Amino acid sequence: DAKTTQPPSMDCAEGRAANLPCNHSTISGNEYVYWYRQIHSQGPQYIIHGLKNNETNEMASLIITEDRKSSTLILPHATLRDTAVYYCIVEGYGGATNKLIFGTGTLLAVQP
Amino acid sequence: SQTIHQWPATLVQPVGSPLSLECTVEGTSNPNLYWYRQAAGRGLQLLFYSVGIGQISSEVPQNLSASRPQDRQFILSSKKLLLSDSGFYLCAWMSGGGEQYFGPGTRLTVT
Repeated sequence: DAKTTQPPSMDCAEGRAANLPCNHSTISGNEYVYWYRQIHSQGPQYIIHGLKNNETNEMASLIITEDRKSSTLILPHATLRDTAVYYCIVEGYGGATNKLIFGTGTLLAVQP
Repeated sequence: SQTIHQWPATLVQPVGSPLSLECTVEGTSNPNLYWYRQAAGRGLQLLFYSVGIGQISSEVPQNLSASRPQDRQFILSSKKLLLSDSGFYLCAWMSGGGEQYFGPGTRLTVT
């Protein structure tokens, strides 16, 4: 079973920031939060991951609450190409295996 | 840079026929490799993973098997396909940071 809860769908206006929430209230101390997205008919694409500090890369920012029970993925300036299903995944990384359990994700629809 | 290849891109096979899907990774050595399946309108399901040559772990008992004959080659097989084997098959490799990178996928239709 997925360890995360995400809203099934969200809308965002093109050019505005998209804020995608994720609840992971049972996260363990050694588990990371990973975000992926899947554009229709393509394989999933890695976006960002973090443990407890906020992270930023060229694609997005990840804000993790202090208690680590929830996080938010921020796409600062959404474009139509960002329309996709976004998956929030919690997984421990011990250097051996990293088995991702994909839930149902959030379908983000960026509107022109 | 690393690249992951999968082929074929699409495949239509009759029930009862064999299957062989291949995945290869370039630009990295001894990666963890994964096979996922996505049924139509559903989420991704992890099928197999491998941490090295000849080492295969199965996540879901089913009509499929996997093999890793070389460091950067991962093969998904079946002796006799079922209708329920239809889906989008994805191969992925894991980077040192724990994130996974996916191939373009093979869309399999069993008729």
